[in-house]
Amino acid sequence: AQSVTQPDIHITVSEGASLELRCNYSYGATPYLFWYVQSPGQGLQLLLKYFSGDTLVQGIKGFEAEFKRSQSSFNLRKPSVHWSDAAEYFCAVDPSGGYQKVTFGIGTKLQVIP
Amino acid sequence: SAVISQKPSRDICQRGTSLTIQCQVDSQVTMMFWYRQQPGQSLTLIATANQGSEATYESGFVIDKFPISRPNLTFSTLTVSNMSPEDSSIYLCSVRGRLQGFDNEQFFGPGTRLTVL
Repeated sequence: AQSVTQPDIHITVSEGASLELRCNYSYGATPYLFWYVQSPGQGLQLLLKYFSGDTLVQGIKGFEAEFKRSQSSFNLRKPSVHWSDAAEYFCAVDPSGGYQKVTFGIGTKLQVIP
Repeated sequence: SAVISQKPSRDICQRGTSLTIQCQVDSQVTMMFWYRQQPGQSLTLIATANQGSEATYESGFVIDKFPISRPNLTFSTLTVSNMSPEDSSIYLCSVRGRLQGFDNEQFFGPGTRLTVL
């Protein structure tokens, strides 16, 4: 079955430490890939997206993600986490290449400790 | 990016009543969607709102419970009918395919936080 998997439900990191959030998908072809962030009580904000081309994509707020076709992964990274990064992060996939709805992973809740 | 507004932003309703949520976009879009986010959960697609025709519902969601309208390319409504406490959720409007933007991003509204007592 087609799916989006975020294996880590909760992650806790210290402020200033590096961060990697995992996302795997299972679709036949390379889908469009997205990472969204949802701060407490807020709507969803797009961090970055991958459609094609360079497999390392830069996003807002210092985030980047790397698409690895061989691993069917699209992991989100940040070299140094700030306390304001505490939020829930959703990986999302559009298998159609831009013409259908986006399907979301279960989300990873990030806690940042001083 | 597309600017999406939703009304109301939150509401507290009694069981058995209905609530209509409005979604307005600042530009014409080809696709409009309604998602539900239950407490502590991810987003689940309810339906795709189709202009001028019946919405396309995902498995587990039916028109009698969640009637949807989309009279034009910038506006849609979702009604939550005959509410029960299990309908307490955040309901999000989402759009894709801006006619003037030529992009493939999917944008989300701020959500409507519904509590059913």
